[in-house]
Amino acid sequence: EIVLTQSPGTLSLSPGEGATLSCRASQSISSTYLAWYQQKPGQAPRLLIYGASSRATGIPDRFSGSGSGTDFTLTISRLEPEDFAVYYCQQHGGSPPITFGQGTRLEIK
Amino acid sequence: EVQLVESGGGLVQPGGSLRLSCAASGFSFSTYWMSWVRQVPGKGLEWVANIKQDGSERYYVDSVKGRFTISRDNAKNSLYLQMNSLRAEDTAVYYCARGVWSFGYWGQGTLVTVSS
Repeated sequence: EIVLTQSPGTLSLSPGEGATLSCRASQSISSTYLAWYQQKPGQAPRLLIYGASSRATGIPDRFSGSGSGTDFTLTISRLEPEDFAVYYCQQHGGSPPITFGQGTRLEIK
Repeated sequence: EVQLVESGGGLVQPGGSLRLSCAASGFSFSTYWMSWVRQVPGKGLEWVANIKQDGSERYYVDSVKGRFTISRDNAKNSLYLQMNSLRAEDTAVYYCARGVWSFGYWGQGTLVTVSS
C-alpha cells in the first residue's frame, strides 16, 4: 500500500499570507496520479489539482501544485477567507489502487 | 451540469445489509470509471471501491473485500454499492465520485450508521 503522509497536520495563517502544504508518499509515484482536494465542513471534497500540477476547471491561479517522485506540494499564494478548509492529497497506483493522505487543516490565525 | 445524487443510507444493525445508489446526470455515464469514497464524520477520506465503464473490472479496499459489491447500470445511469455484513467501523458518509485517477465530481454523500 502506498501511504501518503501530509504535513503539517494543522497550519494557522492569516488571509493574504502564502501557504505551503506537503504530501510525502511511501514510495515513488507517477506525477500523473497525484491529486489535491479541498473540503469545507458539510461539503463534498472539491478537486483542485490533478496530475500533480494541473489546475482543475474553475480553480483560481493562486492554487498551484508541484513535485515528483515521493514529495509533492500544494501552494496557495495569497490566502483568501474562503481558502480555510481541509486539504487532502490522493494517489492512484499500487494496491489498493487509490489512497488519500490524512489531511491538513488550514485555519485562520 | 454534472450531478451525482446518492441515496440509500440509514441506520442498520451490525451484520445487516444496505444498498446505496448513485444517480448520475449531465454527462455520459457509461464512459467513466466510477468510485465510492467514504468518510467517517470528522475524519479523513477513504476510497472504498471502483468500477470500470463496462463493469468488467472492479477493485476494493481490503477492509470491504468479500462484504461489499460495486455495480452499475449504464442504461439507468446509476452506480450501486451493496454492503453486507456491516460493522460499526463501516459507519461513514459514502460519496460516489466520477473518475479513475482523480475525482472531478462528487455527490453530496449519504450517511450510513451501523449500530445496535
